[in-house]
Amino acid sequence: NAGVTQTPKFRVLKTGQSMTLLCAQDMNHEYMYWYRQDPGMGLRLIHYSVGEGTTAKGEVPDGYNVSRLKKQNFLLGLESAAPSQTSVYFCASIGQFGYGYTFGSGTRLTVV
Amino acid sequence: AQSVAQPEDQVNVAEGNPLTVKCTYSVSGNPYLFWYVQYPNRGLQFLLKYITGDNLVKGSYGFEAEFNKSQTSFHLKKPSALVSDSALYFCAVRDQRSGAGSYQLTFGKGTKLSVIP
Repeated sequence: NAGVTQTPKFRVLKTGQSMTLLCAQDMNHEYMYWYRQDPGMGLRLIHYSVGEGTTAKGEVPDGYNVSRLKKQNFLLGLESAAPSQTSVYFCASIGQFGYGYTFGSGTRLTVV
Repeated sequence: AQSVAQPEDQVNVAEGNPLTVKCTYSVSGNPYLFWYVQYPNRGLQFLLKYITGDNLVKGSYGFEAEFNKSQTSFHLKKPSALVSDSALYFCAVRDQRSGAGSYQLTFGKGTKLSVIP
């Protein structure tokens, strides 16, 4: 089925460890986004990409890096995880002529 | 810059009663407006959107929303609430101008709806 796939779905990290979250979409969408969701904070934009090879900072980019080497994939990296990065992470995409997002199912990350 | 305000953290309503979840927005151009619903431990599901035209938009599961440009509001409504409607609801806005804001959606902080049997 067409859509946005996030891996992994769950992960527990120790403080200081690194990891990469993968977002893959098969809809040929140009625009892709990483959000984090925290209680009472809604969804806040971390980074986004307007096309292959391009990335930009969102509202809360510190502590994260991203890459979009292929149009269908958008990777979110944590180089040195901190407890403050415990959150649920959502990836989303939209095409050039679209209106709203297609969301992935989310990754629940706990940093201990 | 664009922003969304959901003034109520929580809304409680009795089953069978009408419900309203409030949303106001700010955007430079004309808005695209959205409502999403999130059930516990699940992702976000699209409910409805306003693009242009009729100010009353009908969506999934019997929900509707009314766009009011003068009040910059997009309140979510349902005539008769069900216990199964209990969830977290997010309002979101995007500028209509092509490429504006890189098509970003800005979300409100969410409103928890509890429907009491």
